[in-house]
Amino acid sequence: DGGITQSPKYLFRKEGQNVTLSCEQNLNHDAMYWYRQDPGQGLRLIYYSQIVNDFQKGDIAEGYSVSREKKESFPLTVTSAQKNPTAFYLCASTQRASGGTGELFFGEGSRLTVL
Amino acid sequence: SQQGEEDPQALSIQEGENATMNCSYKTSINNLQWYRQNSGRGLVHLILIRSNEREKHSGRLRVTLDTSKKSSSLLITASRAADTASYFCATDIRSGSRLTFGEGTQLTVNP
Repeated sequence: DGGITQSPKYLFRKEGQNVTLSCEQNLNHDAMYWYRQDPGQGLRLIYYSQIVNDFQKGDIAEGYSVSREKKESFPLTVTSAQKNPTAFYLCASTQRASGGTGELFFGEGSRLTVL
Repeated sequence: SQQGEEDPQALSIQEGENATMNCSYKTSINNLQWYRQNSGRGLVHLILIRSNEREKHSGRLRVTLDTSKKSSSLLITASRAADTASYFCATDIRSGSRLTFGEGTQLTVNP
């Protein structure tokens, strides 16, 4: 079945370590997004990519990095420079179309805890 | 500040009652979307309404959009316990190619 797969579902990190969250989609979507969600709050955009080999910073990009070497993959690295990385991370994708951003398809999320 | 803001933050109703959630936003939009999130899960798309539309229906869901007031509402009729979730509005602003989410309404439907 088509969809978005995020891994791992749960991740524990020691302070000072970099970690990479995986996001893979088989929907043939051009655009992919990473959002961060803190308890009881909405989603904040970290990075997004409209096309392979190109990506843009969102509202809270500091301390994060991404790559988009393949259409189906958009991994997110949480670096040691991110001061408060404990959060729920959500990856999403959509097909590019004229007239605005369409429906986003989300993965099931990755919960990162810093020990 | 957030482009979209939901009201109320939390809503508790009995099964069978209707639930109404509101969303306000600040800048001109291409479209506005509503999503649902069960606890600890990813978001699921419910409805997309374009800026030139005033109302859309999908099953027990009814969404309205008032661009003059920069606001939208989501009505869930005949609610069920399974509707218990967080509901988010998201706006696609004219100058961007991304969705900006509000902070959500936590809906609890009591059996």
